[in-house]
Order: sequence, then C-alpha cells, then structure tokens
Amino acid sequence: SAVISQKPSRDICQRGTSLTIQCQVDSQVTMMFWYRQQPGQSLTLIATANQGSEATYESGFVIDKFPISRPNLTFSTLTVSNMSPEDSSIYLCSVGRPSNYGYTFGSGTRLTVV
Amino acid sequence: AQSVAQPEDQVNVAEGNPLTVKCTYSVSGNPYLFWYVQYPNRGLQFLLKYITGDNLVKGSYGFEAEFNKSQTSFHLKKPSALVSDSALYFCAVRDWTYNTDKLIFGTGTRLQVFP
Repeated sequence: SAVISQKPSRDICQRGTSLTIQCQVDSQVTMMFWYRQQPGQSLTLIATANQGSEATYESGFVIDKFPISRPNLTFSTLTVSNMSPEDSSIYLCSVGRPSNYGYTFGSGTRLTVV
Repeated sequence: AQSVAQPEDQVNVAEGNPLTVKCTYSVSGNPYLFWYVQYPNRGLQFLLKYITGDNLVKGSYGFEAEFNKSQTSFHLKKPSALVSDSALYFCAVRDWTYNTDKLIFGTGTRLQVFP
C-alpha cells in the first residue's frame, strides 16, 4: 500500500491566519482525499482532489475556506483559511486505489486555533 | 446514499475475553466494507475489508469481521482481547460514482480493554 507523509503533524495557530497542510505520497495515485476529524467525532470528507481537475467539495465545505492544490500525482495541499477556533480538528490526507479497493491514510495534522 | 452505523459509542471488555464491535450498513448495490483503527495521536490504520467472497474476513492484529447480508451487518471480532487493542474503531463503506470513489465513515466506537 502507499506510504503517505503529511506535514505538519501539529500546529497551534492564531485566529484569522491560514495554514497549509502538505501530503506527499510515495507512488502515483489518481485520487487523493482530505478529511476532517473534529474533537471526539468521526471523519468527514472535505473534498476529493484529482490531478488535472478542480477539487470536488462535499456539502458544507467551500473552496474559499479550504483551497486545495493537486499539482501532480504524488502531492497535494489543503489550506485552512481565515481560521477560527471551530477549525480546531485533525485533518487527514488519504489516497485511494480503486484497483484493489485500498484506502490509505496519513498520520494527520492536529490543528489548534487560539 | 451509502451509510454505516456504529450503535455503540464505547465497548468495554476484559483482557482475554472475546470482543465484538458492531457495524450495520445501508447501501444500494453490493457493499464494500472496511474497518479502521485509530490509536491516540495517530492516523487511521487499515484492519480489513469485505469486497466479495467468504463472509468471514480475516485482517491485521488477529481481528476478523463477519459479513451478514440478511442482517446488513459487518461486526468486528477478536477471540481474545489485549489491552493494546484499546483504541477508536471505525467502520466505513465505499461510496462511488462515475467521478468519485471515497469512504463514508461511521461515528466510531471506543474499545477499552481492561487488564
């Protein structure tokens, strides 16, 4: 399965600022996903990022708040913009391999907004 | 829409006893089901998946899951629990269309194994 490196692992940010999270995969993948896990909650999909096309956002998530880049088949970034304390969550990158129904997750970025 | 439900927020079990973490699903078409585990301050680790074939699926760390179509369930099981199994467990279902292929997660069940 793919190996994912996600950075930073954690950060404490001031409200009103932005944080960019990076996701690097050790092999080429078509589909990459960004999830949010709010404290004590399950994982909620933010968006699907396919290389060469605009990210597809789930209901309740907008590009202005969570812009995503996908410049190639091994890398993606998620930016959390104009942060508020409600954005304090774990953000996880994931990749999918439909050929073997494998979905791998990064170790996550624990974000605290103060 | 595809969905999974985990009816128990927490499951407590004594070390050495069998454990079961419950999951039920609602899907259109054939279900593709998954179990993941999350240890504190860690990402999600894959345990096992059901795509087709045998209803009893064996996975990592001695875990197994039984797919039951009539009861629309996919319960996670282990014959003998370890304290180190204490973690947060998520059931998930694959949701795919012509332009996406993603996982939908249940609310999670916290497993506490007592010595």
